[in-house]
Amino acid sequence: AQKVTQAQTEISVVEKEDVTLDCVYETRDTTYYLFWYKQPPSGELVFLIRRNSFDEQNEISGRYSWNFQKSTSSFNFTITASQVVDSAVYFCALSGSNDMRFGAGTRLTVKP
Amino acid sequence: EPEVTQTPSHQVTQMGQEVILRCVPISNHLYFYWYRQILGQKVEFLVSFYNNEISEKSEIFDDQFSVERPDGSNFTLKIRSTKLEDSAMYFCASQGEWDTEAFFGQGTRLTVV
Repeated sequence: AQKVTQAQTEISVVEKEDVTLDCVYETRDTTYYLFWYKQPPSGELVFLIRRNSFDEQNEISGRYSWNFQKSTSSFNFTITASQVVDSAVYFCALSGSNDMRFGAGTRLTVKP
Repeated sequence: EPEVTQTPSHQVTQMGQEVILRCVPISNHLYFYWYRQILGQKVEFLVSFYNNEISEKSEIFDDQFSVERPDGSNFTLKIRSTKLEDSAMYFCASQGEWDTEAFFGQGTRLTVV
């Protein structure tokens, strides 16, 4: 069975702080994909990144970076110099041979 | 840019009534999903659909729920006899292949009164 755990339910930071959102997954599949989605207050789910299980290279996109470590089954997401507009719920997801499963989400609040 | 569209955006229904939530996935996609999100809570998997049949369903997806792809374009979720606890945002998603990004619709907010 596939499972995604986001242990941090809520995080609150002050603008310009760095923040890391944790994601730990379980799967028996050898080939799988990991995703991060952002859900702003408006409610839609916005795709951020996809990473396949064979590519452990870290990725940076502007203020966003992702650290994939297969040895610990983790796919953590860091926002550098956070901004108020980063306030949202962030979901980690895993897509294996069956379907896509989401973590419970982490609500990030960035205060001015 | 292709997108998944869901109708209606908001539906209010009385407890015990049947509702049908509609989704038009991206046209060449093969995998379809319904998820729900109770207000303020996590996104929960309901069902996945591939090759005109259910490929997997969660424990939430009981006999009150059904899905159909009646005409090759629409993908519907029917709830036969709604309960108060069915109130949630329902998201439809589609994927071209299982290893690609899932595109989500804007969601249908279902309110059961």
